[in-house]
Amino acid sequence: GENVEQHPSTLSVQEGDSAVIKCTYSDSASNYFPWYKQELGKRPQLIIDIRSNVGEKKDQRIAVTLNKTAKHFSLHITETQPEDSAVYFCAATASGGSYIPTFGRGTSLIVHP
Amino acid sequence: GAVVSQHPSWVICKSGTSVKIECRSLDFQATTMFWYRQFPKQSLMLMATSNEGSKATYEQGVEKDKFLINHASLTLSTLTVTSAHPEDSSFYICSARDFRGLTEAFFGQGTRLTVV
Repeated sequence: GENVEQHPSTLSVQEGDSAVIKCTYSDSASNYFPWYKQELGKRPQLIIDIRSNVGEKKDQRIAVTLNKTAKHFSLHITETQPEDSAVYFCAATASGGSYIPTFGRGTSLIVHP
Repeated sequence: GAVVSQHPSWVICKSGTSVKIECRSLDFQATTMFWYRQFPKQSLMLMATSNEGSKATYEQGVEKDKFLINHASLTLSTLTVTSAHPEDSSFYICSARDFRGLTEAFFGQGTRLTVV
């Protein structure tokens, strides 16, 4: 089955700095890679996703890159703000079939004002 | 956008009792729903995959008789924690996938279960 590794487990940055979270996956059949943000006690919210036919996707301060050959994808947050503080999860899945997303362990991002 | 509603958001129960958690897709039909358990500061641990009209598929190590899952319709799945024990205390979250095959999964708001 799929195995997703996520690093770092904790990331502490100053407000305004950039933050990068990296994930690797093992199953070459995976073709959909969502990123979720989870605030304490709340549900994970999709913040951005990328499909395997695209190498990069950007939405304002958030961007995701995908390297299919190396089987890794990354989340980039620029100009971080205190409200970006949360736990971020990457996931990998193959579309079709039963679609069972495999999640990374999560990264706790702390943005210091 | 797609909305998944989970109820209750929190529950406290006595050891030995059973608790039912509901997961509803409000504005779309979900052929597949997923149930997760999340411990503090940890990732989402998939417990089972629930398909409408069929038996749930449980992950290794998850007790079928303890965590009963029913997916009776395209908009409702339930998780019943039977004979609850304090070690069952956790955050349980469901997610649902649109039956049209869209790959994004939408999460319920989660249920904080405390067994005393």
